Amino acid sequence: DAKTTQPPSMDCAEGRAANLPCNHSTISGNEYVYWYRQIHSQGPQYIIHGLKNNETNEMASLIITEDRKSSTLILPHATLRDTAVYYCISNIEGQNFVFGPGTRLSVLP
Amino acid sequence: ETGVTQTPRHLVMGMTNKKSLKCEQHLGHNAMYWYKQSAKKPLELMFVYNFKEQTENNSVPSRFSPECPNSSHLFLHLHTLQPEDSALYLCASSQGQGAYGYTFGSGTRLTVV
Repeated sequence: DAKTTQPPSMDCAEGRAANLPCNHSTISGNEYVYWYRQIHSQGPQYIIHGLKNNETNEMASLIITEDRKSSTLILPHATLRDTAVYYCISNIEGQNFVFGPGTRLSVLP
Repeated sequence: ETGVTQTPRHLVMGMTNKKSLKCEQHLGHNAMYWYKQSAKKPLELMFVYNFKEQTENNSVPSRFSPECPNSSHLFLHLHTLQPEDSALYLCASSQGQGAYGYTFGSGTRLTVV
């Protein structure tokens, strides 16, 4: 079973920031938080990951709370092509990734 | 180009057929995975190979038979499937088992008739 919980769906207006929350209240100290997304009928795509510090790359930013019990993925300027299912996963190296149902993000024109 | 190539993209097969799905990665990764994604369901891990050795079989029925001849290639042999086996089959690879940055292929959409 997935160890994270996410809202099943969210809407975001095109051009606005999309903030996708994830709850991982049972995360252990050596577990990373990973985010992937899956555009319809394609394979999931890696977005970003982090342990304690906030992270940013060309795709998104990841904000992890100080107690590490939750995190937020931020897409700063959502486009229609960001419409996808977003998966938040907590994992340690050596364990296989377990995907939950994710959040279905709809970016609206 | 994701670095993980799956063929065919689409497959329709009868319940008595035998077919194979192929996955190839050119990323130098050591671990490869098969996942199944049924309609409106999360991805389910089926098999894991690490350095060509199978390290996990997630209670998959024997009508699915994986093969990993080397670290770059992974096959899923199918025989006497059921209509409920219709799904998107995804292959992934990573540098080490469970390492970050899984790279997925585009999947094979399988329909069993």
